[in-house]
Amino acid sequence: GENVEQHPSTLSVQEGDSAVIKCTYSDSASNYFPWYKQELGKGPQLIIDIRSNVGEKKDQRIAVTLNKTAKHFSLHITETQPEDSAVYFCAASIAGSYQLTFGKGTKLSVIP
Amino acid sequence: AAGVIQSPRHLIKEKRETATLKCYPISRHDTVYWYQQGPGQDPQFLISFYEKMQSDKGSIPDRFSAQQFSDYHSELNMSSLELGDSALYFCASSLKALGVGANVLTFGAGSRLTVL
Repeated sequence: GENVEQHPSTLSVQEGDSAVIKCTYSDSASNYFPWYKQELGKGPQLIIDIRSNVGEKKDQRIAVTLNKTAKHFSLHITETQPEDSAVYFCAASIAGSYQLTFGKGTKLSVIP
Repeated sequence: AAGVIQSPRHLIKEKRETATLKCYPISRHDTVYWYQQGPGQDPQFLISFYEKMQSDKGSIPDRFSAQQFSDYHSELNMSSLELGDSALYFCASSLKALGVGANVLTFGAGSRLTVL
């Protein structure tokens, strides 16, 4: 089955700096890669996703890049704000599949 | 618009008891998923239903069962509860993707089960 590795497990940045979280996946058939933000006591919230026919996608301060050859994808958050502090999960699946395989999560702390 | 509604939000049970969690998907969503998240862990896929039929099965224990009803809501039934079942249980819903499209999941706020 699919295996998703995520690094780092914790990340602290100063407000206004950028944050980068990296994930690798094992199944070359995976072609859908969402990122979720989870705040304490809440469910995961989809913040951005990318499909394998696209190398990069951007939505305001958030961007995701995908390298299919290397089987890794990354989340980039620019101009970080304290409200960006949360746990971020990457995930992978085969499009149309019902199963998402999650990474172990990255706890991001943005220091004011 | 209302999101995925889960109930109860918190549940405390004794070992060997049973528990039932309910999930009401987003209106017009036809697919429901259940995930289990242990403390400090990532969500683990348990089971999913599309149009009231089981569509996929993950690491769901045999002591657990689930179903999706005619109004698309779903229930997760857990029996012979063990201490290790203490976790957050998330329901998610989506519209079934067409062709090679991806199922885009929206998660509920979760139900926290504590087994004593």
